[in-house]
Amino acid sequence: AQKVTQAQTEISVVEKEDVTLDCVYETRDTTYYLFWYKQPPSGELVFLIRRNSFDEQNEISGRYSWNFQKSTSSFNFTITASQVVDSAVYFCALSDTYTGTASKLTFGTGTRLQVTL
Amino acid sequence: EAGVAQSPRYKIIEKRQSVAFWCNPISGHATLYWYQQILGQGPKLLIQFQNNGVVDDSQLPKDRFSAERLKGVDSTLKIQPAKLEDSAVYLCASSLDKTEPNEKLFFGSGTQLSVL
Repeated sequence: AQKVTQAQTEISVVEKEDVTLDCVYETRDTTYYLFWYKQPPSGELVFLIRRNSFDEQNEISGRYSWNFQKSTSSFNFTITASQVVDSAVYFCALSDTYTGTASKLTFGTGTRLQVTL
Repeated sequence: EAGVAQSPRYKIIEKRQSVAFWCNPISGHATLYWYQQILGQGPKLLIQFQNNGVVDDSQLPKDRFSAERLKGVDSTLKIQPAKLEDSAVYLCASSLDKTEPNEKLFFGSGTQLSVL
């Protein structure tokens, strides 16, 4: 069975601070995909990144960066110089090996990030 | 490009009543998903359609929940009869046909259901 743990329920930071959101996953598969989604107050989840289990290279996209460490089963997300618009709930998700047309995502419980002025 | 459309935005019903939600995916997206998000939890997949066929409904409470996707475009999710524990946000998502594995999903804003 697969599982995603986001131990941080809520984080509050002041604008311009850096913040890291933790994600730890469990899976028995050797091939899997990891995702981060952002859920702003409007409700719709917005895709941020997808990473497959064979690519451990860290990724940077503007102020966002992701650190994938297979050895510790973690896929952490860092926002540099946070802004008020980053305030949202962030979900980490796991999808196991692609078979046919099924690709079920298992989501963590989310981390609510509050960025204040 | 228009996003995933869902209606209604909010719904309040009493237990044992029935309710239906509607979703129109992004044009051209063959795969459609219904997720249930209970307050404080991550979304949980209820059912996945590929065109008008069901791919995965293993977590759908079939004694009370039903879903259809006629003509492989828009979809309806129904609950009959509703229970208190069905109070949640029901999210619809869609993705392109499987040109590559585990593609990103595009989500609608959801329908917030309150069962009293």
